[in-house]
Amino acid sequence: DSGVTQTPKHLITATGQRVTLRCSPRSGDLSVYWYQQSLDQGLQFLIQYYNGEERAKGNILERFSAQQFPDLHSELNLSSLELGDSALYFCASSVGAGEANEQFFGPGTRLTVL
Amino acid sequence: QKEVEQDPGPLSVPEGAIVSLNCTYSNSAFQYFMWYRQYSRKGPELLMYTYSSGNKEDGRFTAQVDKSSKYISLFIRDSQPSDSATYLCAMRRGGSNYKLTFGKGTLLTVNP
Repeated sequence: DSGVTQTPKHLITATGQRVTLRCSPRSGDLSVYWYQQSLDQGLQFLIQYYNGEERAKGNILERFSAQQFPDLHSELNLSSLELGDSALYFCASSVGAGEANEQFFGPGTRLTVL
Repeated sequence: QKEVEQDPGPLSVPEGAIVSLNCTYSNSAFQYFMWYRQYSRKGPELLMYTYSSGNKEDGRFTAQVDKSSKYISLFIRDSQPSDSATYLCAMRRGGSNYKLTFGKGTLLTVNP
């Protein structure tokens, strides 16, 4: 158990809908990262937050947004969902500073868009 | 050319075998190199974390980094059926850029 929690575990929804994925980082970690894992693309970095502020952006679609709250939990919002958004979404957390900064991953949310 | 290339396998070995997993990369700015293990329907679990070139050993696992060749390896000695999983290499630049770039993973099966 990495100490990172994600809810829900599974989400089934329809095209055009909006969903929110939630992540709680390990105790003491200030950085949260979101990744998308699909069969064809593998694990892709989406976005990073550090202590409430956006720190880095990857290949995140404009239909997707995220935020980190004062209690350090984070939410990833996916809107106008398309079939191709079906994937595993992982949250990772780290201390967020210093050179080492290992990232620890949560169990993921499996999103199915029908 | 993708930044990180990893042979997806699948790789099937008998119990007790030495397993060699590899990744190549094209971005010379990568400074930190990791191996994650991912069991089916689970999150990636950090196995090894190395900085720059050299070797690192942890139990049955040895990670090697050769920056001059842009090549990293993970060796598993005395492989066990419980090692059956997908192994993902990951790497990142130095400094405060913490974005990880992953290989697509190698599926390993260790047969009893």
